[in-house]
Amino acid sequence: AQSVTQLGSHVSVSEGALVLLRCNYSSSVPPYLFWYVQYPNQGLQLLLKYTSAATLVKGINGFEAEFKKSETSFHLTKPSAHMSDAAEYFCAVSVRPGSASKIIFGSGTRLSIRP
Amino acid sequence: KAGVTQTPRYLIKTRGQQVTLSCSPISGHRSVSWYQQTPGQGLQFLFEYFSETQRNKGNFPGRFSGRQFSNSRSEMNVSTLELGDSALYLCASSLSARDRVSNEQFFGPGTRLTVL
Repeated sequence: AQSVTQLGSHVSVSEGALVLLRCNYSSSVPPYLFWYVQYPNQGLQLLLKYTSAATLVKGINGFEAEFKKSETSFHLTKPSAHMSDAAEYFCAVSVRPGSASKIIFGSGTRLSIRP
Repeated sequence: KAGVTQTPRYLIKTRGQQVTLSCSPISGHRSVSWYQQTPGQGLQFLFEYFSETQRNKGNFPGRFSGRQFSNSRSEMNVSTLELGDSALYLCASSLSARDRVSNEQFFGPGTRLTVL
């Protein structure tokens, strides 16, 4: 069975600083990994996804994540934070298509940006 | 192309009542999934429908049910509402059940249900 852990329910960074949101996963088979962002009173929007191609994945809004199998991690980074990045971020894991398993979401990390 | 729409956006009910939420997926998407989001439990999978058939079901009591119509629109129903059912209910669509796992889901804005 797969699982995902997001370290830190709340992260605060200064505008212009590096953003690092941590995600570790557990999966008995090669996983598919996702990062979603949720702005207040909105649904989730896909930032990026890893589907066994390149280990460094680039997403929208300047975000990227690196799949590290040895560390079972898929941390989300952005070199320079912007005020508009303030939101909640969810990491999610799923298994290969055709499986009856469901996508498992992490508990979320709320990102705050200090001016 | 229009996104996933959910109606109503906000709903207030009292304990014991029942409620029906609606979701219209992106045109051409045949898979619809429902999630419950609460501050304490996070995002929890309710069920998934594909071609009018329930494909997967999460760990929720039988008070939670759903269905999908031939045009892929989906409804979920909660009967005998409890205070703990207060949550944001999110609907997500994808091209197929396969894509839901390997590709991406497109989420609607959610219906915020408050049970008094």
